[in-house]
Amino acid sequence: GENVEQHPSTLSVQEGDSAVIKCTYSDSASNYFPWYKQELGKRPQLIIDIRSNVGEKKDQRIAVTLNKTAKHFSLHITETQPEDSAVYFCAANSDYGGSQGNLIFGKGTKLSVKP
Amino acid sequence: EAGVTQSPTHLIKTRGQQATLRCSPISGHTSVYWYQQALGLGLQFLLWYDEGEERNRGNFPPRFSGRQFPNYSSELNVNALELEDSALYLCASSLDRRAGGAYEQYFGPGTRLTVT
Repeated sequence: GENVEQHPSTLSVQEGDSAVIKCTYSDSASNYFPWYKQELGKRPQLIIDIRSNVGEKKDQRIAVTLNKTAKHFSLHITETQPEDSAVYFCAANSDYGGSQGNLIFGKGTKLSVKP
Repeated sequence: EAGVTQSPTHLIKTRGQQATLRCSPISGHTSVYWYQQALGLGLQFLLWYDEGEERNRGNFPPRFSGRQFPNYSSELNVNALELEDSALYLCASSLDRRAGGAYEQYFGPGTRLTVT
């Protein structure tokens, strides 16, 4: 089955700096890679996703890149703000017997943005 | 549009009891997913229901089970509760993956289960 590794587990940056979180996946059949942001005590929120037919996707200050050959994808946050502080999870869909519905998550990255 | 809802918000049970958690998906969504988030850990996939059928399950024992009703709401049952079952149980919903590969999953607020 699919396995997703996420690094780093914690990341501390100064306000205004960039933050990069990296994930690798094992199943070459995976074709959907979302990123979720979870603030303390709240539900995970989908912030951006990318499909395997695209190499990069941007949405204002956040971007995601995908390297299918190397089986890794990354989240980039530019001009970080204190409200970006949260736990970020990457995920990949799992191809199990032809089904591609459920997601396998990385263990999360706790991002702290210092003012 | 209402989001995914879950009930109850909190649930306290003793070891050996059974717990029932409920989830209502976003209107129009037919797939429901259950995840376990233990303290300090990531989201572990539990179960996936689509069109009333179990499509896939994660690496959890059979005492974790559930079902999906004709209105697409879902129920997660945990039998013979153990202390390590204490966690936040999150439900997510999505459109039918067959309808153009719409994989986006949206989460509910979760049910905090505490086993004493």
